[in-house]
Amino acid sequence: GDSVTQMEGPVTLSEEAFLTINCTYTATGYPSLFWYVQYPGEGLQLLLKATKADDKGSNKGFEATYRKETTSFHLEKGSVQVSDSAVYFCALGASGYSTLTFGKGTMLLVSP
Amino acid sequence: DAGVIQSPRHEVTEMGQEVTLRCKPISGHDYLFWYRQTMMRGLELLIYFNNNVPIDDSGMPEDRFSAKMPNASFSTLKIQPSEPRDSAVYFCASSRRTGDEQYFGPGTRLTVT
Repeated sequence: GDSVTQMEGPVTLSEEAFLTINCTYTATGYPSLFWYVQYPGEGLQLLLKATKADDKGSNKGFEATYRKETTSFHLEKGSVQVSDSAVYFCALGASGYSTLTFGKGTMLLVSP
Repeated sequence: DAGVIQSPRHEVTEMGQEVTLRCKPISGHDYLFWYRQTMMRGLELLIYFNNNVPIDDSGMPEDRFSAKMPNASFSTLKIQPSEPRDSAVYFCASSRRTGDEQYFGPGTRLTVT
């Protein structure tokens, strides 16, 4: 079945450091891919998405490129801020399926 | 749009009591999902509806859990009787189409003592 694998956290960075959170997936067909962010005490918020191979999703300085050849959708940001501290979830939506498959989440901690 | 609305935001109850969680999805969204999140088990899909009809309830942990969607703008998740192991954050989410992005509510933090 479909699955999403994320790097284990927590990822600990200093402010202004470069961020990469790895995400790989297994799916049949051509799924849509998503990154969600969950701040403490809040629900999951859609951060960005990509619906086909080579698409790049971007939002709030975060980017991720849909790489079909490596079945990956890594999240990157050039300069993180303390306010980026949160849990990040990678997810896929397989065509023809109503539900999303989520990864386990990666906690990011950014210190001043 | 107001987004997905959930109530209450916090619920503290004693073991054995009935608990009802409420959700109002985004208008025009045909799919509604109930999730549970705990530290131990992460994010779990409990049940989802399409056009008010339950499609898959295989994630509902026990018969103590039930969910309804009487109309397109309202859904409930009921636990009767509640147990301490039901303590978790319960999220409702909605989406417009199959496989589309889901929009989450702020969640209900349930504590059963």
